[in-house]
Amino acid sequence: DIQMTQSPSTLSASVGDRVDITCRASQSINSWLAWYQQKSGRAPDLLIFKASRLESGVSSRFSGSGSGTEFNLTISSLQPDDFATYYCQQYNAYPYTFGQGTKLEIK
Amino acid sequence: EVQLVESGGGLVKPGGSLRLSCTGSGFTFGSFSMNWVRQTPRRGLEWVASIRSGGNYIFYGDSGKGRFTISRDNDKGSLYLQMSNLRPEDTGTYFCARDKGIAVYLFDLWGQGTLVTVSS
Repeated sequence: DIQMTQSPSTLSASVGDRVDITCRASQSINSWLAWYQQKSGRAPDLLIFKASRLESGVSSRFSGSGSGTEFNLTISSLQPDDFATYYCQQYNAYPYTFGQGTKLEIK
Repeated sequence: EVQLVESGGGLVKPGGSLRLSCTGSGFTFGSFSMNWVRQTPRRGLEWVASIRSGGNYIFYGDSGKGRFTISRDNDKGSLYLQMSNLRPEDTGTYFCARDKGIAVYLFDLWGQGTLVTVSS
């Protein structure tokens, strides 16, 4: 199975900050990488797919980069609504695995 | 409104069975591959099973092989997960999720989830 490892596990930041979350795959997944946002008690929402493509309706403050085994999610100018848990997911190969999550907290 | 709504979760004893349902609305349900994804305290988010739009191709993750059965009824716009021989580690929230493409395994629409608790 492809292991997905996110860092950091927890991130404290302030409104207006720029933050970066990293996701590493245990083997190459090309660009078959998605990012989801999950707020407490709710289902995940798709933010980015194919490593850098923004899902329809998602704010342009979110961007993704990377290929192969290392990927980044960047949120520019944090807004109050952005404080949530973020997950990466690879869909390159069966079984389709998620990272353990990065919880973004208000500093 | 485009949405998925799950039901059928609850408390079940180890070794017991449960059938989850998911109903889609606001989109052409029969045109999409559908999936079950669960979130457990032990393993986090985990893809469980997938079924193609016509019901002809079905795949399971390791957690569900031999114990879970995914099925669908496109006329009713519904997806199902029959779970048997349940274990305490199956405890968690089960989401149905729509595939963004044809067997892409990228999930662009999720239900609110249904909680399954396996405990004696």
